[in-house]
Order: sequence, then structure tokens, then C-alpha cells
Amino acid sequence: GAVVSQHPSWVICKSGTSVKIECRSLDFQATTMFWYRQFPKQSLMLMATSNEGSKATYEQGVEKDKFLINHASLTLSTLTVTSAHPEDSSFYICSARLAGGWADTQYFGPGTRLTVL
Amino acid sequence: GENVEQHPSTLSVQEGDSAVIKCTYSDSASNYFPWYKQELGKRPQLIIDIRSNVGEKKDQRIAVTLNKTAKHFSLHITETQPEDSAVYFCAASSPGNQFYFGTGTSLTVIP
Repeated sequence: GAVVSQHPSWVICKSGTSVKIECRSLDFQATTMFWYRQFPKQSLMLMATSNEGSKATYEQGVEKDKFLINHASLTLSTLTVTSAHPEDSSFYICSARLAGGWADTQYFGPGTRLTVL
Repeated sequence: GENVEQHPSTLSVQEGDSAVIKCTYSDSASNYFPWYKQELGKRPQLIIDIRSNVGEKKDQRIAVTLNKTAKHFSLHITETQPEDSAVYFCAASSPGNQFYFGTGTSLTVIP
């Protein structure tokens, strides 16, 4: 149980194009999903918290208009990198929160490696 | 907000030896402390977690201890194997809030 999928697993695009990444919780409903960015040999950097049916909450320094997040259902959140540039190349990972009576657990998707040429 | 520190950043052990990774946190409201293992290019996998109402939890070769008074928790891996080589992240959170991750520990188990 508690499986999270992410699509695509990797993408290469030209500078200036937009890329959409999907994150799905396959066997549970997630009212909250998180989007992280991870640079090589570094920790997970939280970009935004995605709540179903409401606007995402972005971390300081993350451009809302560049990283568009949509959480249209309890099992799907999408991250769109608009007008991508080489500096946006990174490993993007989503997670879905499985709410518990005591504490919440996050389960991660497999990640999407974005390369912008 | 919460601040999680993790040490060491790198750790090498001989196969069969034990490995210990330590984390400290700052927010006394944090009550959930998961540990994730991430292999190169893959997703972080939850390997063990502990809640603040217990001091220790064990799952085969992996154990986690929590000292709420000192605000620190540790991951213990016994009888290490080469497949334990990975990056390990600790995290702290309180209900309904985000996870605050440590900076990671790169563990290498030498055969």
C-alpha cells in the first residue's frame, strides 16, 4: 500500500518550453501533496505544498508563476514548469501525505529528472 | 520554524559493523520522526519511523531511538551489508505540517 507514481520519469526539453509533471497516489487519497526539488548530493528542498481544491502554498523564493501547481483531485497533483531554462534542470520529487491518527507519513514518487537544453 | 541537523554527512563502515546517524531538532512540538533511505537516482524510501510517545523502535537490523528532552534521535543499523549503502535522511514534523529534513548522510558499506 501507499504507492505514489510520478510521470514522466525523465524529460528533456528545449529552453522556453513548458513541462508538466504528474504525481498520483495510487491506493490512497491524499488531501495534501508536496513538491520537492533535489540537487545532486543534497537534501530535499520543499518547493510547495499542494492542497486538494485550493491554491498551493509556495515556499519562500519559489516563483508561483514559474512553477504552477494544480491539485484537482484527491489522487492527482501536477507541477508545470513554465518557460523552462537550463537552471531549472533538476530532480523533482513529489510526495503524498497519508494522514494518520497520530502523525502523518509522506510517501514519495520516483522522481522526474528534468533536463533543459 | 523547525530546524533539523544531521551528522555525519558521510560515513564509511566495514561490512558487518554498525552504523549510527544522529539528528537533532529544535521544535518541541515535533512528534513524528521518520527516516528515509535514498539510493542514487531513486525515490526516498521510508525505512523506519518513531513517534514521540516511544523512546525506541526496532525493525530487524534497523533501530531508532528518541530523546525528547535533548531533542535528538538516532538511526542505528547493525550488521551492515553493502546494500545498505545509500543516503539516509532524517525528518521531523508535527501533525498537519510539513516535514523538515536533515541534510542527509551518505553511508558506504565496504565489503
